[in-house]
Amino acid sequence: SQQGEEDPQALSIQEGENATMNCSYKTSINNLQWYRQNSGRGLVHLILIRSNEREKHSGRLRVTLDTSKKSSSLLITASRAADTASYFCATDLGSSNDYKLSFGAGTTVTVRA
Amino acid sequence: NAGVTQTPKFRVLKTGQSMTLLCAQDMNHEYMYWYRQDPGMGLRLIHYSVGEGTTAKGEVPDGYNVSRLKKQNFLLGLESAAPSQTSVYFCASSYSILRQGDYGYTFGSGTRLTVV
Repeated sequence: SQQGEEDPQALSIQEGENATMNCSYKTSINNLQWYRQNSGRGLVHLILIRSNEREKHSGRLRVTLDTSKKSSSLLITASRAADTASYFCATDLGSSNDYKLSFGAGTTVTVRA
Repeated sequence: NAGVTQTPKFRVLKTGQSMTLLCAQDMNHEYMYWYRQDPGMGLRLIHYSVGEGTTAKGEVPDGYNVSRLKKQNFLLGLESAAPSQTSVYFCASSYSILRQGDYGYTFGSGTRLTVV
């Protein structure tokens, strides 16, 4: 079974608006990561936040993590048409000697010009 | 750098046929993974490897076998393809947990497999 669930499943916004998507997970994690997938392509790593961090920024991306609620959010500010993609959260469930990610089903974001 | 390269990109198989998907990475990553992606289900881990000569089962390993004879290559085999194996297959690689820093996985561009 998958560890993470994204919400909403789909999101449509106007160019220039902010896009926010959420991820909830079930068990304790080492870190949580967000990936982007453009149509017909592989996933691209966006940002990683560790279990002892609460917020992280990378360019127009802002990620928060609330381990007490087992949830994370990804904010994309000032969206562009190029941000149209599916976004996946992934949780690192690895033990001390491996590193395995469990992916959610994703949020499909459409940015309208 | 090419990153992670998957071959082939597309394939159509008949039920019962066999095939091997090849994944190659040039980043000297220790760990490699095979995932399948189906609509509405995200990515599910099939098998993974934490080093040359070692493999382990993931979430959905049945019907698949893997081998990692060289550090840079990870092969996924389907011995007797079934329609339920119609999917998009992604290979990924990463540094080991001790070195990962803020790095995540590097993914290939996928293999779209249809079993008829």
